Amino acid sequence: QKEVEQDPGPLSVPEGAIVSLNCTYSNSAFQYFMWYRQYSRKGPELLMYTYSSGNKEDGRFTAQVDKSSKYISLFIRDSQPSDSATYLCAMKGDRDDKIIFGKGTRLHILP
Amino acid sequence: DTAVSQTPKYLVTQMGNDKSIKCEQNLGHDTMYWYKQDSKKFLKIMFSYNNKELIINETVPNRFSPKSPDKAHLNLHINSLELGDSAVYFCASSQDLGLITDTQYFGPGTRLTVL
Repeated sequence: QKEVEQDPGPLSVPEGAIVSLNCTYSNSAFQYFMWYRQYSRKGPELLMYTYSSGNKEDGRFTAQVDKSSKYISLFIRDSQPSDSATYLCAMKGDRDDKIIFGKGTRLHILP
Repeated sequence: DTAVSQTPKYLVTQMGNDKSIKCEQNLGHDTMYWYKQDSKKFLKIMFSYNNKELIINETVPNRFSPKSPDKAHLNLHINSLELGDSAVYFCASSQDLGLITDTQYFGPGTRLTVL
């Protein structure tokens, strides 16, 4: 079993819809959870990060972590065509030097 | 000003050749990384340097050799290129190593194609 699993998509939704992106993981030592956005032919950029379980909101974006289920989510409200990108979840433990990335989900927002 | 820059952006070469990719960051960060993203978009760390010292060295062939002449530069040299080396290579930097609050800033990537 891979450490981090993420459905590669593509996921196509109409503009204005709520988008839900998810990852599961197997390593219970992971404490820090991140979401990166990667536009085509660009490097990933950090969107949000959360520590342990709970929710975090930033504008139209909400990150959720459920450590008991080893499941994290990113919700995008009022999705826009400019949100079309690949979204990568990533995580690490307290004592880890390196970040483990999911494979990324390709998201298309249809105008 | 570009925070993390890489050259070249595209690299097409024959099997067996030796090539280098350069990375520079102007953020004053102490830590730099090399990642490989394969055709399935899987992003995996290869190396990290902190203050010119090698910290992370994942299981990559020893044909790959990073070199950090100073804190602002981390170059990647690849010997005897193979077809499987075709990928996008990303350089990244962060202020420190291991602190989650230190965002990793990624360069634009170098798309390597080995023929």
